[in-house]
Amino acid sequence: DVKVTQSSRYLVKRTGEKVFLECVQDMDHENMFWYRQDPGLGLRLIYFSYDVKMKEKGDIPEGYSVSREKKERFSLILESASTNQTSMYLCASCRGPYLSNQPQHFGDGTRLSIL
Amino acid sequence: KQEVTQIPAALSVPEGENLVLNCSFTDSAIYNLQWFRQDPGKGLTSLLLIQSSQREQTSGRLNASLDKSSGRSTLYIAASQPGDSATYLCAVEWRSQGNLIFGKGTKLSVKP
Repeated sequence: DVKVTQSSRYLVKRTGEKVFLECVQDMDHENMFWYRQDPGLGLRLIYFSYDVKMKEKGDIPEGYSVSREKKERFSLILESASTNQTSMYLCASCRGPYLSNQPQHFGDGTRLSIL
Repeated sequence: KQEVTQIPAALSVPEGENLVLNCSFTDSAIYNLQWFRQDPGKGLTSLLLIQSSQREQTSGRLNASLDKSSGRSTLYIAASQPGDSATYLCAVEWRSQGNLIFGKGTKLSVKP
């Protein structure tokens, strides 16, 4: 079974802090994704990566950056956390290549609160 | 703009009923359509993926159909059980987009 592991289930940070969310997958998947999920807005794509050191902006990249130094790990970075970034963050992965007709596998999510 | 809509937002049924969840999408030039399940406070679990060349997919008590021309998909759940209670999300990958666009989901409650 595919395992996508997010480093924290719950996280509380303060405004202005630099926040790192980590995601690791164990199935050698090429593609990895970061989403945020908010009530009434659903899931929205922040960034995705289809290879090591590659990244593409999703629908809402502002205020975020990402890092993919190794194939199995995809990190989401909040450069200077703000209260409107309080949300549930979900990481996903799937087999490549880009447009691969492969299902995405999700982690359990990190519920991030910015105070 | 490419959008995915799921109606109703919530559905409550008695145990044992067969039920249908609906998903509609703009623009028929899709690459695939995926159905997911999400339990409270958890991530998403992939249920079924229908490629654009397919009409349906089945897994156990679940059957998903796709009608690109009308921009619709349905998820049929046979003989529903309380353990089926969850939010069901439909997502579409368009050729021009290259990533999934999600509907807001249907929250299903199956009463014993």
